[in-house]
Amino acid sequence: GESVGLHLPTLSVQEGDNSIINCAYSNSASDYFIWYKQESGKGPQFIIDIRSNMDKRQGQRVTVLLNKTVKHLSLQIAATQPGDSAVYFCAEKGDSGGSNYKLTFGKGTLLTVNP
Amino acid sequence: GAGVSQSPRYKVAKRGQDVALRCDPISGHVSLFWYQQALGQGPEFLTYFQNEAQLDKSGLPSDRFFAERPEGSVSTLKIQRTQQEDSAVYLCASSFRRLAGEREQFFGPGTRLTVL
Repeated sequence: GESVGLHLPTLSVQEGDNSIINCAYSNSASDYFIWYKQESGKGPQFIIDIRSNMDKRQGQRVTVLLNKTVKHLSLQIAATQPGDSAVYFCAEKGDSGGSNYKLTFGKGTLLTVNP
Repeated sequence: GAGVSQSPRYKVAKRGQDVALRCDPISGHVSLFWYQQALGQGPEFLTYFQNEAQLDKSGLPSDRFFAERPEGSVSTLKIQRTQQEDSAVYLCASSFRRLAGEREQFFGPGTRLTVL
């Protein structure tokens, strides 16, 4: 199948471990952030989002942390499973003004989970 | 189906050919987006429709790229006189915008375009 992982930062973990994927964003005016998972041959799939007035949000097995001071976003995956293997992208969007619909994606990280 | 669909899934074109890529958004979704994803990169915004109106085409790389959504549902991205640098995956996404501002964009599987 196709690979979208070439030349991407990579993270390799053992099944059952926790994973942390990091992202630095550029626009201090962005007030909404999303993590997407992209498997080979598929489009990005929404995982979790967070607004800029929050610093942490939890979902099922996933947690997103936002540090606006250093413009840093992280995705934590608990008890990583082989099905979590994919490329993970962070994306940012402004919530008001002209382009509040436009997503700007980061570079992506390839997560490989070893059984 | 319940998701965004795109066709064809794969397209090989000779340099100079015109191509047309189709997107069927989720029924009832008002907003439709096209993104270009080069190998090993994140998707990059191309253009945005709200119903049939193209409100933003600032991401289209050149005037060889043209998108339309004449009836506010299906959209077509057309690339004229394709060049090798047009090789990429073209992603379509749709969303249902409510007053509260639903932010989630649902992506299709993409069309992989290879220009020889």
